[in-house]
Amino acid sequence: IAGITQAPTSQILAAGRRMTLRCTQDMRHNAMYWYRQDLGLGLRLIHYSNTAGTTGKGEVPDGYSVSRANTDDFPLTLASAVPSQTSVYFCASKKTGGAEAFFGQGTRLTVV
Amino acid sequence: DAKTTQPPSMDCAEGRAANLPCNHSTISGNEYVYWYRQIHSQGPQYIIHGLKNNETNEMASLIITEDRKSSTLILPHATLRDTAVYYCIAVMTHGSSNTGKLIFGQGTTLQVKP
Repeated sequence: IAGITQAPTSQILAAGRRMTLRCTQDMRHNAMYWYRQDLGLGLRLIHYSNTAGTTGKGEVPDGYSVSRANTDDFPLTLASAVPSQTSVYFCASKKTGGAEAFFGQGTRLTVV
Repeated sequence: DAKTTQPPSMDCAEGRAANLPCNHSTISGNEYVYWYRQIHSQGPQYIIHGLKNNETNEMASLIITEDRKSSTLILPHATLRDTAVYYCIAVMTHGSSNTGKLIFGQGTTLQVKP
């Protein structure tokens, strides 16, 4: 089934550890996005990529890095996790010029 | 991207039309109005979008004022499953590095009641 997949679904991580959240889509969408959502708040854009090989900073990029080596994958890395990065992370993809963005099921990350 | 303003919450009776307003008074000519919703803890779901004409699909209708400074999302016959947070977003279609980026605000929490 075509779609967008995130892994892991949930994770408890010790502060200071490195963590990579994975996001894969098989719809050949050019644009991909990472958001975080904190309790009671809307989604905030962390990083985005308009096409393979390019990335850009969103609203809250500090403490996160991304790469876009190919069209399908857009991993999000926390180099040294801190408790304030406890959140639900959503990945999304969208066809350039298309109307609809597709979201993954989310990764619930707890940094302790 | 234009900032949008929505009421934080609304109630609607099941079976009645839900009318969700959005103010986007600083919207520019190349920005579309998009609506998404998020049910409980799921990822957001696309509903509808428009530029200046009214739009309708199987989920909802979108009414955009002539001056494009505000819009209304209409769910014609709300059901309990429509209880969700609804986001109105102005999205640039071309011309800058912001093209296509979805910047979410706080949205409107719609509670459909029996």
